[in-house]
Amino acid sequence: ETGVTQTPRHLVMGMTNKKSLKCEQHLGHNAMYWYKQSAKKPLELMFVYNFKEQTENNSVPSRFSPECPNSSHLFLHLHTLQPEDSALYLCASSFDGNNEQFFGPGTRLTVL
Amino acid sequence: EDQVTQSPEALRLQEGESSSLNCSYTVSGLRGLFWYRQDPGKGPEFLFTLYSAGEEKEKERLKATLTKKESFLHITAPKPEDSATYLCAVRSNDYKLSFGAGTTVTVRA
Repeated sequence: ETGVTQTPRHLVMGMTNKKSLKCEQHLGHNAMYWYKQSAKKPLELMFVYNFKEQTENNSVPSRFSPECPNSSHLFLHLHTLQPEDSALYLCASSFDGNNEQFFGPGTRLTVL
Repeated sequence: EDQVTQSPEALRLQEGESSSLNCSYTVSGLRGLFWYRQDPGKGPEFLFTLYSAGEEKEKERLKATLTKKESFLHITAPKPEDSATYLCAVRSNDYKLSFGAGTTVTVRA
């Protein structure tokens, strides 16, 4: 595997389900990010991790819970989501917090 | 508050018809401006980073330029495979990264 990978690529869940999104980067980077992308809207930064430490949480509802066990892996745990949470969730990484970010293919999430 | 505005929202071109996309920004000190390309159903693909006014970067048919208030992405003699959404992002002095909503380019053969 190369670059940034994300699983699953597609996810459909009910509002009472619990699921997790997984991201792995094979670039030797130290910073990882979660973004939400909705149609016709700019990318919304959700969480930032630098050297496994969370450095940014952009007022994201608690039904989204990130986890970064090491510099290569990032998870987004989901529970009791709302239909308006349906979107493309993108993971990205960068060498540090200042350089260009490299994105994964995203997980298309649909909440019923 | 940092703002990034991209125009036009959509651009339809004939193959070979050169054009430019605009990214205007208001930011508290620019630490970098980034251009990305995004194909449908995929994540953004990094294209360029620009750091200071007057800087230019080129890659195949794409050329990015930067002034103190805006950046342009010029597409020269585009081909259908250049069809994508092009995203602009700026990093401010407090290291926050703000994205524009993108310009969707469609190139017809």
